[in-house]
Amino acid sequence: GIQVEQSPPDLILQEGANSTLRCNFSDSVNNLQWFHQNPWGQLINLFYIPSGTKQNGRLSATTVATERYSLLYISSSQTTDSGVYFCAVEQSYNTDKLIFGTGTRLQVFP
Amino acid sequence: GAGVSQSPSNKVTEKGKDVELRCDPISGHTALYWYRQSLGQGLEFLIYFQGNSAPDKSGLPSDRFSAERTGGSVSTLTIQRTQQEDSAVYLCASSPPARGFGQPGNTIYFGEGSWLTVV
Repeated sequence: GIQVEQSPPDLILQEGANSTLRCNFSDSVNNLQWFHQNPWGQLINLFYIPSGTKQNGRLSATTVATERYSLLYISSSQTTDSGVYFCAVEQSYNTDKLIFGTGTRLQVFP
Repeated sequence: GAGVSQSPSNKVTEKGKDVELRCDPISGHTALYWYRQSLGQGLEFLIYFQGNSAPDKSGLPSDRFSAERTGGSVSTLTIQRTQQEDSAVYLCASSPPARGFGQPGNTIYFGEGSWLTVV
């Protein structure tokens, strides 16, 4: 099956710093989403981004489907950004099954 | 309700007992997913329901695990003869109807999970 790898696995930042999280996938995808899991375990969808670039406040994401990767940018990080960031991909047109990556654990300190 | 609802939120059970976890998806959502997340780990796909189609059970780890979805809405995940390695958070998610064949999928929405501890 498709492999979804994220890097870095762990990231520690001071408040105000910028960061880039990467998601690589091993096959063509029909769908790619980024999620944030807060320290209480709740998963929140950040972006639905099978291709192109989107921005939402301090967050933006870019997916280059032909090169099989996606990037999540966090600017001016805040302590509330802490948690785990997952990307998830849908492998084919025949199923909406989302396969999750390994995650990047982000800790932002004041 | 406004979001995906799961129950119980926490469950402690003795090894060997059966447990049932319930998921009530967002109204109108045709797709329903179950994932499992062990402590500090990523999300492991378990099973996927889409409308009236046969479910994708490819992620169920053993025949002790089964899931049903009645009336295209509420789903129940059943774990028989629980083992300690079944301890995890079981997450349910739902998404709206697909936009059509060949179209990209939709955003999925997660519940808060059912925390299962097998002692």
